[in-house]
Amino acid sequence: KAGVTQTPRYLIKTRGQQVTLSCSPISGHRSVSWYQQTPGQGLQFLFEYFSETQRNKGNFPGRFSGRQFSNSRSEMNVSTLELGDSALYLCASSEDPVTGELFFGEGSRLTVL
Amino acid sequence: AQSVAQPEDQVNVAEGNPLTVKCTYSVSGNPYLFWYVQYPNRGLQFLLKYITGDNLVKGSYGFEAEFNKSQTSFHLKKPSALVSDSALYFCAVRDGSSGYALNFGKGTSLLVTP
Repeated sequence: KAGVTQTPRYLIKTRGQQVTLSCSPISGHRSVSWYQQTPGQGLQFLFEYFSETQRNKGNFPGRFSGRQFSNSRSEMNVSTLELGDSALYLCASSEDPVTGELFFGEGSRLTVL
Repeated sequence: AQSVAQPEDQVNVAEGNPLTVKCTYSVSGNPYLFWYVQYPNRGLQFLLKYITGDNLVKGSYGFEAEFNKSQTSFHLKKPSALVSDSALYFCAVRDGSSGYALNFGKGTSLLVTP
């Protein structure tokens, strides 16, 4: 099986712009989670989707949003970018959202100038 | 609420020696515990998990972890460290009774020297 695929891998934006990141989960996995990783805050949970429904959301402002499509692919969007949004954004999928381990993609590294 | 703590930012060990990376957790329900490893500029790789059953869990690359309910700990261990084990290690917990989010610790950087 192919692993979790995230695109783009690297991107540079300027303050005030918006960005959309894409994630294709492992085939058959219906749960997709997103995390933000920064040196200062570590790994922080953004949101989790299952069958197109957002079931959990982390403590992030409304500028951070996401969605999941019927084929389980997911996107996350960050609007009005701030310098502090510079981070590695990781997507993960899981076969079982309760007991199952997460399988992570390589991440999308966002730099905001 | 659920949380996990990794008390050491860095662990140094000589190749061939045993290694331990510490993790303690806090959940209100049943703890589901996980260990992940991250190499530079890569995503996280799953090592092992505890859901229920035997307190000693064996995982990938010779790693194991022991679930200790009374001490609320889930320390990662390996009998003989390799230089290639040098990486960032994350402990994570999910409250099996109430949530789907997996909460990660801050991470512990493991350095194995030849």
